[in-house]
Amino acid sequence: DIQMTQSPASLSASLGETVTIECRASEDIYSNLAWYQQKPGNSPQLLIYDANSLADGVPSRFSGSGSGTQYSLKINSLQSEDVASYFCQQYNNYPFTFGSGTKLEIK
Amino acid sequence: EVQLVESGGGLVQPGRSMKLSCAASGFTFNNYDMAWVCQAPKKGLEWVATISYDGSSTYYRDSVKGRFTISRDNAKSTLYLQMDSLRSEDTATYYCARRATGFITTEFDYWGQGVMVTVSS
Repeated sequence: DIQMTQSPASLSASLGETVTIECRASEDIYSNLAWYQQKPGNSPQLLIYDANSLADGVPSRFSGSGSGTQYSLKINSLQSEDVASYFCQQYNNYPFTFGSGTKLEIK
Repeated sequence: EVQLVESGGGLVQPGRSMKLSCAASGFTFNNYDMAWVCQAPKKGLEWVATISYDGSSTYYRDSVKGRFTISRDNAKSTLYLQMDSLRSEDTATYYCARRATGFITTEFDYWGQGVMVTVSS
């Protein structure tokens, strides 16, 4: 199985700041990576697919990058509504696997 | 508007069975592969199973193989998960999710609100 190592586990930042979340795959996943946002009490929502493509309706302050085994999610100009947990997921091989998540809070 | 609405969860004793349903609307259900993803309390996400658009192919994580069965009724636009021989470690919120395209390598673009399954005596 492909292991997805996500960091940091938690993050606290101020409004307007830029934050970055990292995800490392245990083998090359050829950019078959998605990022999801899960707000408290809600289901996950797709943010980024194919490592760097923005899903419909997602604000442009979210961006994804990376290739091979290293990927990142960047959030520019942090807003209060960005408080959530963020998960990466590889869909290159079965079983599809997720990172352990990053909980983002506002300072 | 795409909607996925799960039902059928609740409390069940270890070793017993439970069947989850996911009613889909707002899109042509029989054009899309579908999946179940679970999340144990305060934990991360785990893919459980996937079924192809026509039901001809299914995939499972190892821990549920032989115990869980994913199926679909395209005439009713409904996805199912039959869970047998339930264990305490199956306790989780189960989400129904749509796969975005027909490619093997594709993300989950829509998720249901989830249904809680608690396995306990």
